[in-house]
Amino acid sequence: QQQVKQSPQSLIVQKGGISIINCAYENTAFDYFPWYQQFPGKGPALLIAIRPDVSEKKEGRFTISFNKSAKQFSLHIMDSQPGDSATYFCAASDEAAGNKLTFGGGTRVLVKP
Amino acid sequence: ETGVTQSPTHLIKTRGQQVTLRCSSQSGHNTVSWYQQALGQGPQFIFQYYREEENGRGNFPPRFSGLQFPNYSSELNVNALELDDSALYLCASSIDRAETQYFGPGTRLLVL
Repeated sequence: QQQVKQSPQSLIVQKGGISIINCAYENTAFDYFPWYQQFPGKGPALLIAIRPDVSEKKEGRFTISFNKSAKQFSLHIMDSQPGDSATYFCAASDEAAGNKLTFGGGTRVLVKP
Repeated sequence: ETGVTQSPTHLIKTRGQQVTLRCSSQSGHNTVSWYQQALGQGPQFIFQYYREEENGRGNFPPRFSGLQFPNYSSELNVNALELDDSALYLCASSIDRAETQYFGPGTRLLVL
C-alpha cells in the first residue's frame, strides 16, 4: 500500500522558473512531513519540513504548502537554479509509531540554464 | 561534528550469499533506521534500532536482520541474497527517535 503518492515523476523547468511537486497521503496519523533532496550517488538530505498545524513554511527559495483537510502537501522551488537539479522526495512520519519515514516515489527535477 | 557514515560504498554479491552493511551514526544520535532504495524509487523502511533494541520493522522478511552496538553504530545483515535485494541501502540517525533524521551516503549492493 503506497501511503504517500508523489507527482509528477519528472519535471523540466527553465532557470529562474518555479518547480512545483505535489504529494498526497492517506494515513491521518502522520504528523511530520519532510522533503528530501537527493543527488546521484548520495543519500537524501533534509531540505525543509512542516507539521500539520501550519499551512505554509518558507526557507529561502523553498516553500511547503500544507492542506490538512485534503491530505495534500507540496514543495515550491522558487527561482530554480541548475544546481537544484536533483531528485526530490516527500515523506511522512508518525511520532507515535517511532517516526519511521514513509516516502513518496520521487520527482526528478531538471533545471535548464 | 561527523555526519552519518556507511561502509562499504559498493558491494557485489551472488544470489544465496550473505552480506553485512555498517553504519556509524552522527555524534550524539542514539537511533538508527535502515532503508532500502531500489533504483528509481523512494526509500522503504526496513527497521529501526533505538538504544540497542529493535524498535519497529517494515515489510521485510526475517532474513533481513540488524544490530545496534553500545556506541550506537549499527549493522544490517541480509541472508540468502536474492536478485531483488539489489538496491541502495541507507541508514539514518536521529536523537531519541525524533522526526529529524540524517541520512548517510548509502551502500550500493548488487546481487548477481
